[in-house]
Amino acid sequence: NAGVTQTPKFQVLKTGQSMTLQCAQDMNHEYMSWYRQDPGMGLRLIHYSVGAGITDQGEVPNGYNVSRSTTEDFPLRLLSAAPSQTSVYFCASSYGTGETQYFGPGTRLLVL
Amino acid sequence: SQQGEEDPQALSIQEGENATMNCSYKTSINNLQWYRQNSGRGLVHLILIRSNEREKHSGRLRVTLDTSKKSSSLLITASRAADTASYFCATAAYGGSQGNLIFGKGTKLSVKP
Repeated sequence: NAGVTQTPKFQVLKTGQSMTLQCAQDMNHEYMSWYRQDPGMGLRLIHYSVGAGITDQGEVPNGYNVSRSTTEDFPLRLLSAAPSQTSVYFCASSYGTGETQYFGPGTRLLVL
Repeated sequence: SQQGEEDPQALSIQEGENATMNCSYKTSINNLQWYRQNSGRGLVHLILIRSNEREKHSGRLRVTLDTSKKSSSLLITASRAADTASYFCATAAYGGSQGNLIFGKGTKLSVKP
């Protein structure tokens, strides 16, 4: 099993550009989530999904959209990138809310 | 909103010594989890302890949970240079969106050979 995969590994954007961060898991997990990690901070929840077709906002959702059309995929869209969105983004999945989470390797995003 | 707060923020020890990290939280929880993050990598789950458990072991790891004090500790025995990483606690409360994991800011552990 590949576990949780994320692409790209690294991306540079200009302010105002949009992009999609990809996340996929092959463990048939119902719960998937996106976090951002900033220096000296823990992880902050952006959006999460408890199953295909169901998404909800986390702690810091502004400027991001998600969708969950399949169990496997949970892309994160940046609508109009801002320098404040410079961060490392992690996708994770688990069998259920609050259970052990399996993390992807992360996407490092720099917005100029 | 940070639920878990780790202490200390940074810890430096010699190989072979034990490392203890603490986590305090504010509200009632369903479970508490510890994760490790090596520099530049994703988080790796170490151990999950439920609110009705007091202690769990996994290899060189020992986790305790005191729900009356709303605190947990992670003990790594006989540390190795490979244990150098950041360690995060995460809490999950009960019910719906409250069950989402909330992570602390982490303890940075450095184990010197």
